[in-house]
Amino acid sequence: SAVISQKPSRDICQRGTSLTIQCQVDSQVTMMFWYRQQPGQSLTLIATANQGSEATYESGFVIDKFPISRPNLTFSTLTVSNMSPEDSSIYLCSVGGLAGDKITYNEQFFGPGTRLTVL
Amino acid sequence: GDSVTQMEGPVTLSEEAFLTINCTYTATGYPSLFWYVQYPGEGLQLLLKATKADDKGSNKGFEATYRKETTSFHLEKGSVQVSDSAVYFCALKGNTPLVFGKGTRLSVIA
Repeated sequence: SAVISQKPSRDICQRGTSLTIQCQVDSQVTMMFWYRQQPGQSLTLIATANQGSEATYESGFVIDKFPISRPNLTFSTLTVSNMSPEDSSIYLCSVGGLAGDKITYNEQFFGPGTRLTVL
Repeated sequence: GDSVTQMEGPVTLSEEAFLTINCTYTATGYPSLFWYVQYPGEGLQLLLKATKADDKGSNKGFEATYRKETTSFHLEKGSVQVSDSAVYFCALKGNTPLVFGKGTRLSVIA
């Protein structure tokens, strides 16, 4: 599988501030996604990060709150803006798509996650 | 839309007990099915997968068979270990990104 890293691994932030999370993959991937896992809950897809164009957001998530960048096939960022305690979650980057012989089309792999606590 | 329903936890078993975690799905077309595992304090790992009907995915003693007639993908292990304690997520992938079930927390006691 591809090696996926995320920075920071965890952070504690004050309400009203913003945090940018980085996701780096060791090979080129077609698809990159951002998920949120609230405490004790399952994973919810925030958006699909599209290279060179605006991200595709799922219902309930908007660009102003979660701006996403994807400048190339190995890197993406997710910003959590104007944070409130309800944004305290684990944010996970996920990748999928053809990348040599490392990833098949139907598989998705996940980064280690960024644990965010908002006070 | 596509959805996954898995049994609610938590599940507590003694070491060497038999494990079954039920998972059923609703999807259009022919999705691929997955089980992911999340160990305490760690990220999500792919445990096993099946891409078509009657396929059996297996890994680390865990198995699951893609049953199209019952739209199910139940996870089984014959003899669990304390190290299997984790949260298990059933997921499907059709023409959209992965859709997850709510997760089942498994605790194995010695």
